Amino acid sequence: ETGVTQTPRHLVMGMTNKKSLKCEQHLGHNAMYWYKQSAKKPLELMFVYSLEERVENNSVPSRFSPECPNSSHLFLHLHTLQPEDSALYLCASSQDQVNYGYTFGSGTRLTVV
Amino acid sequence: DAKTTQPTSMDCAEGRAANLPCNHSTISGNEYVYWYRQIHSQGPQYIIHGLKNNETNEMASLIITEDRKSSTLILPHATLRDTAVYYCIVRTIYNTDKLIFGTGTRLQVFP
Repeated sequence: ETGVTQTPRHLVMGMTNKKSLKCEQHLGHNAMYWYKQSAKKPLELMFVYSLEERVENNSVPSRFSPECPNSSHLFLHLHTLQPEDSALYLCASSQDQVNYGYTFGSGTRLTVV
Repeated sequence: DAKTTQPTSMDCAEGRAANLPCNHSTISGNEYVYWYRQIHSQGPQYIIHGLKNNETNEMASLIITEDRKSSTLILPHATLRDTAVYYCIVRTIYNTDKLIFGTGTRLQVFP
């Protein structure tokens, strides 16, 4: 365990479903991130939260909706996804957004059918 | 942003040192070199970072050339569990400069 826990580990959802991915960190960090990793592609930064405020949204479609209710929890709400959204979704946290010491969770493997 | 160039893949015998190179010829003075690795189907793991001095920790050593245009990550005694994709990233440390991953080097450690 890295101190960043993601649930569920695997998720299969239909294109009309609504689901949420959860990330929880027990490291006392104040910044949290969502990354997407599609097959054979590099990780793509999706969202950044610092002190529970969204500070970056990298042109992510509105069918992905992040939520950060407190500094320990981060959600990614999903609705009307497409099959090409199937990927590994990774959550990470860090202190003060410095680039060393990012701690990643093990990810949620999402399949959209 | 400074770009990095890494070999696509490398092999290493178990117990030997694994030397992973990275070229970053356009690095600027305030940019650090970071190394992360990603074991299959897991999240990336931070390994080490440095500015201009060589660095060592319990996982690896980082050797940065004097002109800072290239660096080498050294795993002194590779094990099968070191099989992973290794990412060399050059970024500033500022909070507006997010960690962006490239394609990395796939290291295969064989028995």
